[in-house]
Amino acid sequence: AQTVTQSQPEMSVQEAETVTLSCTYDTSESDYYLFWYKQPPSRQMILVIRQEAYKQQNATENRFSVNFQKAAKSFSLKISDSQLGDAAMYFCAYRSANSGYALNFGKGTSLLVTP
Amino acid sequence: ETGVTQSPTHLIKTRGQQVTLRCSSQSGHNTVSWYQQALGQGPQFIFQYYREEENGRGNFPPRFSGLQFPNYSSELNVNALELDDSALYLCASRPGTGITGELFFGEGSRLTVL
Repeated sequence: AQTVTQSQPEMSVQEAETVTLSCTYDTSESDYYLFWYKQPPSRQMILVIRQEAYKQQNATENRFSVNFQKAAKSFSLKISDSQLGDAAMYFCAYRSANSGYALNFGKGTSLLVTP
Repeated sequence: ETGVTQSPTHLIKTRGQQVTLRCSSQSGHNTVSWYQQALGQGPQFIFQYYREEENGRGNFPPRFSGLQFPNYSSELNVNALELDDSALYLCASRPGTGITGELFFGEGSRLTVL
């Protein structure tokens, strides 16, 4: 079974600064999808960014970008120009391309943004 | 706003009771999945329904069951509640079964089992 590990339970960043959240995963598959989800206090999970494993280019969505290292099985999220509204739990998730319905989530990283 | 609504938002049950949680998805979202999120943990996949049939299940016992209806609503039923069933239950939907289709999550139902 695939496992997703987020080694940082909590992170803190000052407004306008940059922060990187770490994620590693374990899989024997070559084709899969990786995601970062944000869960604010409202509890609603929101997709931040998605990466297809077959793509070498790192995904970018506005202030959010990833560093995808397939050989190292690493998938970190960089948030640039942090804003107060970025404060939330962030979950890294894996989905197989072969048995493709379930998302495997990590335990999450709580991001605090200070003024 | 994801267009996925869940009810109730909070509820309290006692051990051994049964509970039904409800989810209403966007029109056209014929795939719905349910996740259990224990406190301080990431969500765990329970099962998925596509066109009213279960087509995938995680490591959960049969006392967790579901239904999906033609009007894009669905239910999660849990029988013989145990203390460890206390969690946030998330419903997520998307159109079709496409791998890359974005999942749209509801705000969840917080279940407390005493």
